[in-house]
Amino acid sequence: GAVVSQHPSWVICKSGTSVKIECRSLDFQATTMFWYRQFPKQSLMLMATSNEGSKATYEQGVEKDKFLINHASLTLSTLTVTSAHPEDSSFYICSARPGLAGWGEQFFGPGTRLTVL
Amino acid sequence: QKEVEQDPGPLSVPEGAIVSLNCTYSNSAFQYFMWYRQYSRKGPELLMYTYSSGNKEDGRFTAQVDKSSKYISLFIRDSQPSDSATYLCAMSANRGSTLGRLYFGRGTQLTVWP
Repeated sequence: GAVVSQHPSWVICKSGTSVKIECRSLDFQATTMFWYRQFPKQSLMLMATSNEGSKATYEQGVEKDKFLINHASLTLSTLTVTSAHPEDSSFYICSARPGLAGWGEQFFGPGTRLTVL
Repeated sequence: QKEVEQDPGPLSVPEGAIVSLNCTYSNSAFQYFMWYRQYSRKGPELLMYTYSSGNKEDGRFTAQVDKSSKYISLFIRDSQPSDSATYLCAMSANRGSTLGRLYFGRGTQLTVWP
């Protein structure tokens, strides 16, 4: 149980285009989903926290107009990187937290590798 | 000062060795302490979690938390080549606006050679 999927697993796009990444909780309902970015040999950096049906909360320094997050249902959250540039190339990982988890256990997706040319 | 500090390594040990991984932290509000394993180009998977201080053992893995020193450890006994991965410590508070938010260390890259 507690499986989180991401799609696509990797994507290559041209500079200036937009890319959408999906995060799904397959066997549980996730009231909260998190989006992280990870650069090579670096840790996971939290970008934003999203609760189903409400606006995402972005971490300091993360442009909310560039990284659009939608958490439309209890099993799906999407991250759209708008007008992507080469510096946005990174490994994007989502996680999902079941609604009844008191201590904040998060289940992570397999990640999406974005390369912007 | 980062909230969670972790030596990135790399750490290279022979098969069968005991591995010790450590993190320090500065925020006394942290109550939940986790260790994740991440294989290359994959998402992290939870290995162990501990609430507050103390030890927890699961097979070859032992997690220790010393809140007085703000120091946590993960020990791997009889290490195997399949243990080769990056190990990330993570912490979470149980109150206030940070509830549920995980704070990660940088990760330690471990290689166990046969």
